[in-house]
Amino acid sequence: GQNIDQPTEMTATEGAIVQINCTYQTSGFNGLFWYQQHAGEAPTFLSYNVLDGLEEKGRFSSFLSRSKGYSYLLLKELQMKDSASYLCAEGVRAYIKAAGNKLTFGGGTRVLVKP
Amino acid sequence: DSGVTQTPKHLITATGQRVTLRCSPRSGDLSVYWYQQSLDQGLQFLIQYYNGEERAKGNILERFSAQQFPDLHSELNLSSLELGDSALYFCASSASQGGPDEQFFGPGTRLTVL
Repeated sequence: GQNIDQPTEMTATEGAIVQINCTYQTSGFNGLFWYQQHAGEAPTFLSYNVLDGLEEKGRFSSFLSRSKGYSYLLLKELQMKDSASYLCAEGVRAYIKAAGNKLTFGGGTRVLVKP
Repeated sequence: DSGVTQTPKHLITATGQRVTLRCSPRSGDLSVYWYQQSLDQGLQFLIQYYNGEERAKGNILERFSAQQFPDLHSELNLSSLELGDSALYFCASSASQGGPDEQFFGPGTRLTVL
């Protein structure tokens, strides 16, 4: 089966760094996605990892270890606008090639940035 | 703006009723996905369509059905509604041409069943 685990909530100070961990276990793995979601709004795509290692995108970085079923999202130089939920999602390829991924989301980590 | 549109934005109805939610994907995207997000369940995958055909199914109830039309827009039909169906329903689309194939989410339809 598929099981995505991430912490429920984290609090950090403006300007600091926060690391959100995510563990998963499944078969048919086709990438690990991170999305940001502000309350009542649509999730927006942040990053994607399919190979082991670190992907850096400005203030946000994401890391993947496939052998450990583990990923993290690193948010640097936190800003007040970064207060949101961060969703870890595992992509599993649909049974026909190039027909998209079925995403299984974790429950999300609510990050609260304090001044 | 993700380029994915959903209508209506809000829907209030009574138990036992039937509603239809509509989604238009980003231009050029072939896959459409439907998700349900309630407070206690998080974001749950319901169903995926690719170029008009069903491709993957998640925890979609038998009372729910969906389809994707030749112009690639999609509709999610919810029938015999129950109080527990109150949730945000998101549609997402992706190109499905290989690569990361990230999904772009629409603004959602907030369904309230009274």
